[in-house]
Amino acid sequence: DGGITQSPKYLFRKEGQNVTLSCEQNLNHDAMYWYRQDPGQGLRLIYYSQIVNDFQKGDIAEGYSVSREKKESFPLTVTSAQKNPTAFYLCASSPTGTAQGGYTFGSGTRLTVV
Amino acid sequence: AQKVTQAQTEISVVEKEDVTLDCVYETRDTTYYLFWYKQPPSGELVFLIRRNSFDEQNEISGRYSWNFQKSTSSFNFTITASQVVDSAVYFCARGGGNKLTFGTGTQLKVEL
Repeated sequence: DGGITQSPKYLFRKEGQNVTLSCEQNLNHDAMYWYRQDPGQGLRLIYYSQIVNDFQKGDIAEGYSVSREKKESFPLTVTSAQKNPTAFYLCASSPTGTAQGGYTFGSGTRLTVV
Repeated sequence: AQKVTQAQTEISVVEKEDVTLDCVYETRDTTYYLFWYKQPPSGELVFLIRRNSFDEQNEISGRYSWNFQKSTSSFNFTITASQVVDSAVYFCARGGGNKLTFGTGTQLKVEL
């Protein structure tokens, strides 16, 4: 079955560490997205990529980095510069770089700083 | 920024009641798309519906119906005869250009 796989489901990070969240899709979608979800704030866009080897900052990119070396993969690194990283992270993809068709979402990674 | 507003943070109903979730959006675009997603406790967002800005026809799908009114920039979602399985967070979103902008979500609790 086609879909988006996010791993791990739960992740614990110590203060000052970088961690990388995995996102893989087998839908042959061109565009991929990372959102952060906090209680009462909905989904906020971190980064997005419309084609391989290209990506753009979203609304809250500070403290995060991404890469898009393969069409199927769009990993997100939460760096030590991100002051409040505890949140639920959702990866999504869409067939093209437009919002016309909506997104397909993964099941998310819950990151907790300990 | 062109916002999407879901003013209802949380709604509680008893099973079999009808419930309407409100969504108001801002846009400067002529062409745009509106969506509703459901987020069950598992976390994954499930697509429910998409409407484009040129199609104001209301839509019904089983117990779900959607009322799109451009004059009031609203895209409300009604669940008829709610069930416990409807309990989830529901997000409204507006698509324009290459991004979706989400509202803050409405937590729906359906109790027996």
